[in-house]
Amino acid sequence: GENVEQHPSTLSVQEGDSAVIKCTYSDSASNYFPWYKQELGKRPQLIIDIRSNVGEKKDQRIAVTLNKTAKHFSLHITETQPEDSAVYFCAAGSGNTGKLIFGQGTTLQVKP
Amino acid sequence: SAVISQKPSRDICQRGTSLTIQCQVDSQVTMMFWYRQQPGQSLTLIATANQGSEATYESGFVIDKFPISRPNLTFSTLTVSNMSPEDSSIYLCSVELGAGNTIYFGEGSWLTVV
Repeated sequence: GENVEQHPSTLSVQEGDSAVIKCTYSDSASNYFPWYKQELGKRPQLIIDIRSNVGEKKDQRIAVTLNKTAKHFSLHITETQPEDSAVYFCAAGSGNTGKLIFGQGTTLQVKP
Repeated sequence: SAVISQKPSRDICQRGTSLTIQCQVDSQVTMMFWYRQQPGQSLTLIATANQGSEATYESGFVIDKFPISRPNLTFSTLTVSNMSPEDSSIYLCSVELGAGNTIYFGEGSWLTVV
């Protein structure tokens, strides 16, 4: 069935360093790839998304890259700050259904 | 983005009982979705709810356990029936907004079954 694999499951970085989280997906029909940040006790918040007609998208310290051929997409956070500490989820969806398949999540810890 | 409200935000329920969760959106949306997030886990889609038709359930989820209503374009309910401790989870509704099918989540309903 459809599957999204996310790595690493945990990531610890020093404040100011970069963090990279990677995902692979199985469904060739996927064309929408959002990333969500979930802080403890809160709902997932959309932080950035990318669609299949774009290879890279950037929003301030956050960027996402997509390689459709390899079915890979990645989240890059630069100049990390302690408030970036959270669980990050990648997801893959196809435009017609609106359904999202989520990765397993990455717990990011940014040490001051 | 839209305002997506859920009720209740938290509840502690007795096993064997049922609880209905409400999701209200401040704009009309075609598709609404219900997800479950078990403790420490990722999100799993329960079903898709479209107004005017029966909900479509994902593998592993059945209507008898998770009946869903979608009476109009701004509202939906999910009932968790005959609850057991394994149903303790966060239940999230989500909606698709905009031409690019961006998905936003409601505030979530934290259920603990004792």
